[in-house]
Amino acid sequence: KAGVTQTPRYLIKTRGQQVTLSCSPISGHRSVSWYQQTPGQGLQFLFEYFSETQRNKGNFPGRFSGRQFSNSRSEMNVSTLELGDSALYLCASSSSGGPTDTQYFGPGTRLTVL
Amino acid sequence: DQQVKQNSPSLSVQEGRISILNCDYTNSMFDYFLWYKKYPAEGPTFLISISSIKDKNEDGRFTVFLNKSAKHLSLHIVPSQPGDSAVYFCAASGTNAGKSTFGDGTTLTVKP
Repeated sequence: KAGVTQTPRYLIKTRGQQVTLSCSPISGHRSVSWYQQTPGQGLQFLFEYFSETQRNKGNFPGRFSGRQFSNSRSEMNVSTLELGDSALYLCASSSSGGPTDTQYFGPGTRLTVL
Repeated sequence: DQQVKQNSPSLSVQEGRISILNCDYTNSMFDYFLWYKKYPAEGPTFLISISSIKDKNEDGRFTVFLNKSAKHLSLHIVPSQPGDSAVYFCAASGTNAGKSTFGDGTTLTVKP
């Protein structure tokens, strides 16, 4: 089974621009979660999608948004980029996001905002 | 308010010895706990988990202990190997594993 894939792997943007990141979950997985990891920090939960619906949302400003398509692929968008948005963005998928489901992570997209 | 804390940013042990990584949590609604390992330039990979109804779970060289009254869990690696050198994240979830709360990670270095 192919793992979670994320594109692009690296991205450089300037302040004020917007960016879209993509995540393809493991085949058959319906839950996709997004996390932000900044240097020296743990993973901060952004949001989770299940069956095209946002099921959970973390404490991030409205500039961060996402969506999920019918094939479970997910995109995350950040508008009006700020320097502090520079981070590793990780996507994780699980079969249903149930209490004991294992999340499988992709390699991440490294976003640098200049 | 950080709900999952890993107070040791780094740990260094000799090959063959035991590695003990610690994690504390504050939210009593958490009922499922996980450890992930992360190598540079890769996403975290699941290592081992434990449900709140248990106090111990073993998988080969890895054992996780949970002390609910102290809201503390630990990961024991015995024996430690150089390939275990990585960042270890503790995570906790409630009813939805899709929304996990992570600690800041502990960098483990196992010296040959």
